[in-house]
Amino acid sequence: NAGVMQNPRHLVRRRGQEARLRCSPMKGHSHVYWYRQLPEEGLKFMVYLQKENIIDESGMPKERFSAEFPKEGPSILRIQQVVRGDSAAYFCASSYSYEQYFGPGTRLTVT
Amino acid sequence: AQKVTQAQTEISVVEKEDVTLDCVYETRDTTYYLFWYKQPPSGELVFLIRRNSFDEQNEISGRYSWNFQKSTSSFNFTITASQVVDSAVYFCALSSPNTNAGKSTFGDGTTLTVKP
Repeated sequence: NAGVMQNPRHLVRRRGQEARLRCSPMKGHSHVYWYRQLPEEGLKFMVYLQKENIIDESGMPKERFSAEFPKEGPSILRIQQVVRGDSAAYFCASSYSYEQYFGPGTRLTVT
Repeated sequence: AQKVTQAQTEISVVEKEDVTLDCVYETRDTTYYLFWYKQPPSGELVFLIRRNSFDEQNEISGRYSWNFQKSTSSFNFTITASQVVDSAVYFCALSSPNTNAGKSTFGDGTTLTVKP
């Protein structure tokens, strides 16, 4: 059973561009969580999704960030018009019930 | 609200020393889970242990051991006879399946450096 997959592993964007981060949960998992880790900090919750539904987006910045988990395909975290402060590692986790399995993360660098 | 505090920002030890990483948590839930993760320089998160709130038994896995004490809301992690490969950032995390949508709250991490 493959683990949680995230791609790309590294992403470089110029200021103002869009970043799309993908997360494929483990087989059979219908819950996806996104976390952001700023440099020298711990992981901070952003959003929790189930298939086609956003359950909790209390950690998402109000502007430029959006997330989806369609019926088919991976979950997508989208950041529009990126700024330098968006540079971070973005981790996705999936779960079936209560235990979360983390992906390897996507490191976003905004130049 | 949930909170996890890892008061030690950085710890440096010499190989073969024992080291304890502290974790104190706050939650109003009676059912919760506590986790420790290791983040080596490569950046991925490595799961180390999960403990549920009803199981206060301490656990040992090789050189790793965990001391869970509900009375002090602590879940400390000890590495015995540390090795250079133990150098990493270690995170303690808390999640409540029945509230907070199961999301995890992480501490800010403790950076452990083990010198040869």
